[in-house]
Amino acid sequence: KQEVTQIPAALSVPEGENLVLNCSFTDSAIYNLQWFRQDPGKGLTSLLLIQSSQREQTSGRLNASLDKSSGRSTLYIAASQPGDSATYLCAVRRGGAQKLVFGQGTRLTINP
Amino acid sequence: EPEVTQTPSHQVTQMGQEVILRCVPISNHLYFYWYRQILGQKVEFLVSFYNNEISEKSEIFDDQFSVERPDGSNFTLKIRSTKLEDSAMYFCASSVDNRGDTQYFGPGTRLTVL
Repeated sequence: KQEVTQIPAALSVPEGENLVLNCSFTDSAIYNLQWFRQDPGKGLTSLLLIQSSQREQTSGRLNASLDKSSGRSTLYIAASQPGDSATYLCAVRRGGAQKLVFGQGTRLTINP
Repeated sequence: EPEVTQTPSHQVTQMGQEVILRCVPISNHLYFYWYRQILGQKVEFLVSFYNNEISEKSEIFDDQFSVERPDGSNFTLKIRSTKLEDSAMYFCASSVDNRGDTQYFGPGTRLTVL
């Protein structure tokens, strides 16, 4: 059974810092991995999707990497801003399945 | 930019009542999903739907749940006899295909069962 873990559970950094969020998964037979942002009481906003054949994806100040063999992904946020404060979720999709399996998220706070 | 919409945003119901949660997926998407998130817990998959059939479901999705695409735009989740433990945020999602495409999520319906 696929398990997805995100460390740390919470992170607080000053504005302007670069930071890395971690995601690990137990079954490397994934089809893709998706990073989401969730604001309090709101829905999930898709940030990046990495297919299993890819090593990284970039969107603006965000860069996500994937090391399928070791069961790890990282989300790198450059030059953090207070507006980046949210919970960041990663989710993996197993080959042959449609469901996403989510981690518990990292709650990020960027202090002005 | 097209987006998934859900109604209502908040639903309060009495235990044992039936509720229907509604979603309008993105118009050219073919795969539809329901997930839920109990307060403080992980987002959990409930069911996926394609071509008017359930294509995958979790152990959570028991006989009290059902899904339907009653017309060309709406996708609904029905809970027949709500329980206290059904209180959660319910998210609808859609994707173009099932071959690795991004799943786009709606804003959610907060269901409170009293």
